[in-house]
Amino acid sequence: DAGVIQSPRHEVTEMGQEVTLRCKPISGHDYLFWYRQTMMRGLELLIYFNNNVPIDDSGMPEDRFSAKMPNASFSTLKIQPSEPRDSAVYFCASSFWGATSYNEQFFGPGTRLTVL
Amino acid sequence: AQTVTQSQPEMSVQEAETVTLSCTYDTSESDYYLFWYKQPPSRQMILVIRQEAYKQQNATENRFSVNFQKAAKSFSLKISDSQLGDAAMYFCAYRSEGGTYNTDKLIFGTGTRLQVFP
Repeated sequence: DAGVIQSPRHEVTEMGQEVTLRCKPISGHDYLFWYRQTMMRGLELLIYFNNNVPIDDSGMPEDRFSAKMPNASFSTLKIQPSEPRDSAVYFCASSFWGATSYNEQFFGPGTRLTVL
Repeated sequence: AQTVTQSQPEMSVQEAETVTLSCTYDTSESDYYLFWYKQPPSRQMILVIRQEAYKQQNATENRFSVNFQKAAKSFSLKISDSQLGDAAMYFCAYRSEGGTYNTDKLIFGTGTRLQVFP
């Protein structure tokens, strides 16, 4: 398996622009997670889905952030409009409930977002 | 709410030596899972080792082992025979057990940067 795939790997944009980050989970996984990593706040969960349904979006910082999962093999995280404080590394992770009791999360390589 | 604390922002070790990274957590739950993830400069988060709270035996994966002290809420990672490739950020993480949706979150510590010197 190719693992979790994220695109783009790097994104540089200007303040006010719309940014869309993409994720393809591991085939067969039924949970998908979006995390953000910054120096100040570390790794924080933004939102997660189970069977394409958003379960907990309490970590989404504000209305400028939105996430969708139209099918089992694709998810997007959109920021509109983007601000410099959104600069971070965004990770997508997926897991399969019941594979083991641990339900390990497998992470993608991340997208480094820079908002100028 | 559960919290995870890594009190060592940076650690260093000489190649072939042993190093221990500390992690403590706070929870009122009795069943949960603990993980150590490694993040090398490539940014990829790699699962190193995992532990179920109800298992008294400490987990071991090759050169990596944990010292799980449930009463003390401590979960330290020991790296034996350190190699240059072990240099990375290491994150301790907690996940609840319970079977409900909200137990699927991973709660991460702030990380420990490990340097390995030849």
